[in-house]
Amino acid sequence: AQRVTQPEKLLSVFKGAPVELKCNYSYSGSPELFWYVQYSRQRLQLLLRHISRESIKGFTADLNKGETSFHLKKPFAQEEDSAMYYCALNGRGSQGNLIFGKGTKLSVKP
Amino acid sequence: NAGVTQTPKFRVLKTGQSMTLLCAQDMNHEYMYWYRQDPGMGLRLIHYSVGEGTTAKGEVPDGYNVSRLKKQNFLLGLESAAPSQTSVYFCASSSSRQVQYFGPGTRLTVT
Repeated sequence: AQRVTQPEKLLSVFKGAPVELKCNYSYSGSPELFWYVQYSRQRLQLLLRHISRESIKGFTADLNKGETSFHLKKPFAQEEDSAMYYCALNGRGSQGNLIFGKGTKLSVKP
Repeated sequence: NAGVTQTPKFRVLKTGQSMTLLCAQDMNHEYMYWYRQDPGMGLRLIHYSVGEGTTAKGEVPDGYNVSRLKKQNFLLGLESAAPSQTSVYFCASSSSRQVQYFGPGTRLTVT
């Protein structure tokens, strides 16, 4: 079964501290993974996709097939990073359907 | 380019009433989706469409119907609203298996 698990509902850090939002997935095959972000009262927007291997707003995420993880990391959190973060999986044959985790709310305190 | 738009932004319904949510996209995307977002549940797929004239059920389709008569529009209908359908509804579109672009959401309250 295809599944995305985000074990933390809420993650609270201080400004300037490193942050890691965890994402584990269950999928047999080569998954396509994404991180979406939703700032307060705004629409969801793509933050990262693993095939791009890029850094957006200082965030990076590496696909670890051995651990079936796609954790999102940033070395120095900023207050404007406070948002809801969703990890999503797009499996082969799913016709483009994304399977979302339940989300992690990141709160960056001053 | 407006991207993905949703109408209305807010709505309050009484139990048993019906309504239609409209999603429109101007990116010529083939795929369109309707999700509901509930606290602690993340986003759950209600229905989706892989092209004009086609629709399919997602994870939580009960109580909802959809239509895709035009490529740019995807309608979500509630025939007899229930309090359990109180939620924020998001529409999204994508080109094939590419990134999904989301609308601003519709906040629906059923009393």
